[in-house]
Amino acid sequence: DQQVKQNSPSLSVQEGRISILNCDYTNSMFDYFLWYKKYPAEGPTFLISISSIKDKNEDGRFTVFLNKSAKHLSLHIVPSQPGDSAVYFCAAGNNDMRFGAGTRLTVKP
Amino acid sequence: DTEVTQTPKHLVMGMTNKKSLKCEQHMGHRAMYWYKQKAKKPPELMFVYSYEKLSINESVPSRFSPECPNSSLLNLHLHALQPEDSALYLCASSLTPVGNQPQHFGDGTRLSIL
Repeated sequence: DQQVKQNSPSLSVQEGRISILNCDYTNSMFDYFLWYKKYPAEGPTFLISISSIKDKNEDGRFTVFLNKSAKHLSLHIVPSQPGDSAVYFCAAGNNDMRFGAGTRLTVKP
Repeated sequence: DTEVTQTPKHLVMGMTNKKSLKCEQHMGHRAMYWYKQKAKKPPELMFVYSYEKLSINESVPSRFSPECPNSSLLNLHLHALQPEDSALYLCASSLTPVGNQPQHFGDGTRLSIL
């Protein structure tokens, strides 16, 4: 059973617009939520995180929102840039993190 | 340049072969991880080493045998693998094994079982 789900396999946005990537999880006991970005032929790299005591964390163009009651988190990228084109994974858990299947973001110039 | 180095990048082996995957980091991280990733699927956690001791084994078949010789090295010994074991194997490390610590990933070893 997948405890972390990213229901959109792909997303395409225009440069300069907002990208919103979504992630749902099933276990209400999860305390930590992280987003990773992956370019082809490279391992995932950490992007931004949030803990269950917060509902928003911002780092430059990237903001993560956590809705604990809905067991949902989202990553907002604004403004989107062509270099943001990659696969984005969300991960959730405590000491053993569970990953979603990823969303491929394409930012068109 | 990734700070977690995995070798080899590609490996093709037969079902009767014995081989090892290697992972190295020099960031002083005390938690190291092995993941298996199939195409279009999420990375699946296999093993976690915490302070050089195996702390999590996600019911992985015994044909996969992890080893952590020291705090910088992590090996995955392979023996009698099956074709369904063909996948990308990712190694990661984090400062401590607590979930809020970001994991640093290697670029992976793409394994093909003939």
